[in-house]
Amino acid sequence: NAGVMQNPRHLVRRRGQEARLRCSPMKGHSHVYWYRQLPEEGLKFMVYLQKENIIDESGMPKERFSAEFPKEGPSILRIQQVVRGDSAAYFCASSTGTSGPETQYFGPGTRLLVL
Amino acid sequence: AQTVTQSQPEMSVQEAETVTLSCTYDTSENNYYLFWYKQPPSRQMILVIRQEAYKQQNATENRFSVNFQKAAKSFSLKISDSQLGDTAMYFCAFSLGTSYGKLTFGQGTILTVHP
Repeated sequence: NAGVMQNPRHLVRRRGQEARLRCSPMKGHSHVYWYRQLPEEGLKFMVYLQKENIIDESGMPKERFSAEFPKEGPSILRIQQVVRGDSAAYFCASSTGTSGPETQYFGPGTRLLVL
Repeated sequence: AQTVTQSQPEMSVQEAETVTLSCTYDTSENNYYLFWYKQPPSRQMILVIRQEAYKQQNATENRFSVNFQKAAKSFSLKISDSQLGDTAMYFCAFSLGTSYGKLTFGQGTILTVHP
């Protein structure tokens, strides 16, 4: 059973460009979480999605950031017009979401570097 | 809002010895879950152990065990017979016992196991 997949593993963008981060949850998991880890810090919750629905985006910056989890395909975290402060590791986690706070399984992360 | 505090930025231990990592949290809720995650140099997030707040018994997983003191809001991780592969950043995390498990992380403790 493949784990949570994220790609790309490393992404370099220049200021003003767009970054697209993809996350494929574990087989059988329909709940996806995105977290951001700034250098030397813990992970911070950004957004929680179920298939075709954003359930909680309380940790997502109001501008430039968006997330989706379509019926088919991976979840996408999109950052428009990136700035240097967006440089971080972005982790995706998935769970079955069948009952209560199920254990979240994390992907390997995408390291975004904004030049 | 919930907060998680790890007061030990760095710890070190000799191989085969025992080490305890500290974590305190703050919440007014009664139904919640606590986790310890490990992040080795690869930066993959790996679940170490999970504790349900309603359970009196401390969780154990092989060499890993917790000391859960609900009244004191303390959740420490004990690693017995430390191995070189235990070298990693360790994060304590909190999740409310709602229908989904958004995680709040502490700042992390870097553990180094010396041969």
